[in-house]
Amino acid sequence: DVKVTQSSRYLVKRTGEKVFLECVQDMDHENMFWYRQDPGLGLRLIYFSYDVKMKEKGDIPEGYSVSREKKERFSLILESASTNQTSMYLCASSLAVLETGELFFGEGSRLTVL
Amino acid sequence: GQNIDQPTEMTATEGAIVQINCTYQTSGFNGLFWYQQHAGEAPTFLSYNVLDGLEEKGRFSSFLSRSKGYSYLLLKELQMKDSASYLCAVMDSNYQLIWGAGTKLIIKP
Repeated sequence: DVKVTQSSRYLVKRTGEKVFLECVQDMDHENMFWYRQDPGLGLRLIYFSYDVKMKEKGDIPEGYSVSREKKERFSLILESASTNQTSMYLCASSLAVLETGELFFGEGSRLTVL
Repeated sequence: GQNIDQPTEMTATEGAIVQINCTYQTSGFNGLFWYQQHAGEAPTFLSYNVLDGLEEKGRFSSFLSRSKGYSYLLLKELQMKDSASYLCAVMDSNYQLIWGAGTKLIIKP
């Protein structure tokens, strides 16, 4: 079975803290994505990566950075967390988005910034 | 701008049929997707339409009309486990997915 694993389901952080969200997939997928999901809004793409050490900005990259040192791992970093980054963060991977758009999602990391 | 519209919430009865609509305005079109998301869980892929017409997959069917910028997801023989949010997403000309806010479907006995 395809599996995308996010390191933390729930996190509570203070304003200004550095936050790491880890995502690992075991399907040898090329493509990995970080989204945030907020009530009443569609999923918004933060960053994505089509290859190791490659990254592209999505629609809302401000305040975030990413790292992809290995094919299976894609990390999202909040350098200095702010309250408006309180959200559900979803990691996803796909073999070939251009063909089917079928994304496999992790369970999500719910981040609260106080 | 790019826009995906779907109803915020719908209610249906167990055993019945429900149709969830999705209209879109995007820069180009490379396919429309439906995902299911149970509360507190990850979204899971349901269907993909790139040509006009109806795609059937068991109790679920998805329809697309590209000329009208319109799709619907049809769920038959509703079960309590179908209570979930249903997300519509369109792949634009840059092969990026544009997501609707989702439709929360409530199934009543």
